[in-house]
Amino acid sequence: NAGVMQNPRHLVRRRGQEARLRCSPMKGHSHVYWYRQLPEEGLKFMVYLQKENIIDESGMPKERFSAEFPKEGPSILRIQQVVRGDSAAYFCASSRQGSLNQPQHFGDGTRLSIL
Amino acid sequence: DQQVKQNSPSLSVQEGRISILNCDYTNSMFDYFLWYKKYPAEGPTFLISISSIKDKNEDGRFTVFLNKSAKHLSLHIVPSQPGDSAVYFCAAVDAGNNRKLIWGLGTSLAVNP
Repeated sequence: NAGVMQNPRHLVRRRGQEARLRCSPMKGHSHVYWYRQLPEEGLKFMVYLQKENIIDESGMPKERFSAEFPKEGPSILRIQQVVRGDSAAYFCASSRQGSLNQPQHFGDGTRLSIL
Repeated sequence: DQQVKQNSPSLSVQEGRISILNCDYTNSMFDYFLWYKKYPAEGPTFLISISSIKDKNEDGRFTVFLNKSAKHLSLHIVPSQPGDSAVYFCAAVDAGNNRKLIWGLGTSLAVNP
């Protein structure tokens, strides 16, 4: 499967724990985008990364959330000390180039549930 | 404030008929528009796009129309098929904000056999 791979598909955490969401972009894609979809809402941009660099993190909460896209390995979205409001579907997308005129290819998301 | 508005949360059409999904936007700095389709428990899939310098783009059964003066675009699916039943998202590229992709809330299309 050469598509965008996200894991885990479902993640359950208790309040105060850490959540780590992984995203492997499509082969040949070096640009990764993370989105969050809350229930009954559309997708909201969180962060845009290129290999080893954060290009735009304006949509990501300043506290508890961080993202990385190392030279080797998948992109990681990390949420520390999770709260109930973090429950959402988190989607990762990738593109070959950074221009958003190029369609982004999405993974199937990670559904995060906070108990 | 929602800059990309899909005012119909849901739409139901008969198989073989035309489906028309609408999208309005408020920001004149949007210069590229995309439609994505999403099935439950899957990620969005790119469907069709249009640049702001055009007023129509066609790809098989899918056609997107853009009316810049009205800040309105629409997606036409003809003929509609049951497999088209999904949530359709309209998205716009904001040339004034790092070319960020701004999404509508989606329209759920049901195509009845």
